[in-house]
Parts: sequence; C-alpha cells; structure tokens
Amino acid sequence: GAVVSQHPSWVICKSGTSVKIECRSLDFQATTMFWYRQFPKQSLMLMATSNEGSKATYEQGVEKDKFLINHASLTLSTLTVTSAHPEDSSFYICSARAYLGPIRAYNEQFFGPGTRLTVL
Amino acid sequence: AQKVTQAQTEISVVEKEDVTLDCVYETRDTTYYLFWYKQPPSGELVFLIRRNSFDEQNEISGRYSWNFQKSTSSFNFTITASQVVDSAVYFCACGNRDDKIIFGKGTRLHILP
Repeated sequence: GAVVSQHPSWVICKSGTSVKIECRSLDFQATTMFWYRQFPKQSLMLMATSNEGSKATYEQGVEKDKFLINHASLTLSTLTVTSAHPEDSSFYICSARAYLGPIRAYNEQFFGPGTRLTVL
Repeated sequence: AQKVTQAQTEISVVEKEDVTLDCVYETRDTTYYLFWYKQPPSGELVFLIRRNSFDEQNEISGRYSWNFQKSTSSFNFTITASQVVDSAVYFCACGNRDDKIIFGKGTRLHILP
C-alpha cells in the first residue's frame, strides 16, 4: 500500500527558532499534499493545501508567513514553522493524494504518522 | 464546504458490549465521500472505510459495520463485541473527489475491561 512518511516524528525547540517538517510519499507520486494541525484532544484542522510546483493555499486564519509550505517535488512537501512559540506546539499531520488518472472516481489520500512539535 | 458533526464526545462501554458512534454530515455536493478513521494513542491515523455518495449499502468488516443513510445524512459506525484494543479516538470525515477532507471533532471511545 501507499506509504507516507514524516520527519521528524517529534521535535522540541526553543521559542523563536524555526522548525522544518518533511512529508514524503514513498512509493507514489503526490501532486497534492495537505497539512493538518491537531491540538490535544481536538480534531484535525486543515492548515493548507500544497500543489507541486505552485504556491500553497492556506485555510482562513492560518498565517502563511508563519507556516511556510514548499512542495518542490512530487514526493516531498515541507512545512516550516517560523519563529515558533509555545502556542504552536501541536501535532502536525500531512496527507498525500495520489493521482490515479481521470478514470478513477476517487484519488486516494494517505496520511503520514504525524510530527509532534513542542516549543519551550 | 462540508461539515461533519460527531455529537458524542466521549463514550465508555464495558468490553464485549456493542457500541455505535454517530456521524452526521452536511454537504452541497452531489458526489462526496465519507470516511471513518481511528486514532490510537500513538497518534497515527488508521483508515477504516471510505464510502461514496452513490453507494448506500451497509458494510460489514469483521466486528465493524457502517450504516449510511442519505435520508438522514448519517454515517454511523458500530463495533460489535468491543475489545480493549478498540479504545481510541474515532473520526468521521467528509470530502469530495478533488478536495480536502473535513473531519468531525472525534469521539473518544473507552473500552473498559
């Protein structure tokens, strides 16, 4: 089956530093990747949609200058949390959508294992 | 845009009991997809099922079953003979073919031994 990895799986950083999280589709090409954020005991909230080779589309209320997304290849998207603060501490999950062609009714999304960010 | 409501925030049942998790969705799309995911304490989402809007057949997979009713916009999930390993947060979600998946707030299920 399709596998999506995230690196790192967890990270602890000091307030004010920037943190980069990678999302990779290991055995398929993903034209679109999605980034979610999940605070403790809450739901997954979509942050942005990332299309390969173009700028990400951010959901309302998500600061694009704070959460930089780069989708430079069909297998890699990165999320950089710039100048992280304690309120950015969260579980970040990516998903990758496999484009299976126009005939398929649904282009499956596969989720990564998540990255737990703790900002001190 | 889709909206998913999981009214049950937390449920506790004793092992071997049956339990149903409710999900009500809203969408303006005629073609849409419904999902259930399990999130154990490790945090990784486990895909359980995807259903498209044209297929109202109920589905059974082992101890899991799903009831999809378009008339009430519901997609309920039942675990039969629950086990402690079923303890997790369960998310119902809705999306369309080319767009994002919107998640409900989740139901935290505790199976007590």
